[in-house]
Amino acid sequence: NAGVMQNPRHLVRRRGQEARLRCSPMKGHSHVYWYRQLPEEGLKFMVYLQKENIIDESGMPKERFSAEFPKEGPSILRIQQVVRGDSAAYFCASSPVGTTSTDTQYFGPGTRLTVL
Amino acid sequence: GNSVTQMEGPVTLSEEAFLTINCTYTATGYPSLFWYVQYPGEGLQLLLKATKADDKGSNKGFEATYRKETTSFHLEKGSVQVSDSAVYFCALSDYGGSQGNLIFGKGTKLSVKP
Repeated sequence: NAGVMQNPRHLVRRRGQEARLRCSPMKGHSHVYWYRQLPEEGLKFMVYLQKENIIDESGMPKERFSAEFPKEGPSILRIQQVVRGDSAAYFCASSPVGTTSTDTQYFGPGTRLTVL
Repeated sequence: GNSVTQMEGPVTLSEEAFLTINCTYTATGYPSLFWYVQYPGEGLQLLLKATKADDKGSNKGFEATYRKETTSFHLEKGSVQVSDSAVYFCALSDYGGSQGNLIFGKGTKLSVKP
């Protein structure tokens, strides 16, 4: 059973460009979470999605950031007009149910975004 | 609000030493508690978890007991190995407070010397 897949693993963008990060959850998992890890920091929750639904986006910056999880295909985290402060590791996690606190979230290897 | 506080690192130990990494939490509901480990350049791996008070999670020689009275979930290992060198994150999931998303501590970096 393949784990959570994320691509690309490393992404370099210049200021003002767009960044698209992809996440394929584990097989059988229909709940996806995105987290951001700044250098020397813990992970911070950004958004929680089910297929075609955003359940909780309380951790998403109000501007430039968006996320989707379409019926078919991976979840996408999109950052428009990137700035240097967006440089971080972005981790995706998935779980089979997602609405109980006992569920384990399984993490992907992360995408390391560098903004020049 | 919900939060996790874990001891600051880095922690440097010699091989076969005893390890404790402290973690305390604040939560509005009845959280589940987790320890995740992150090896250099990799994502997070679940190390162990406990879902209710007095539960003990254990894996690979690591243990942590969910203590409601002290709101703690300290990570312990009796004899560490060089391969345990990593960053360890304590986390909680509180359905009542946060729809199940994880709240992480800042992480504790462990270095084990031969």
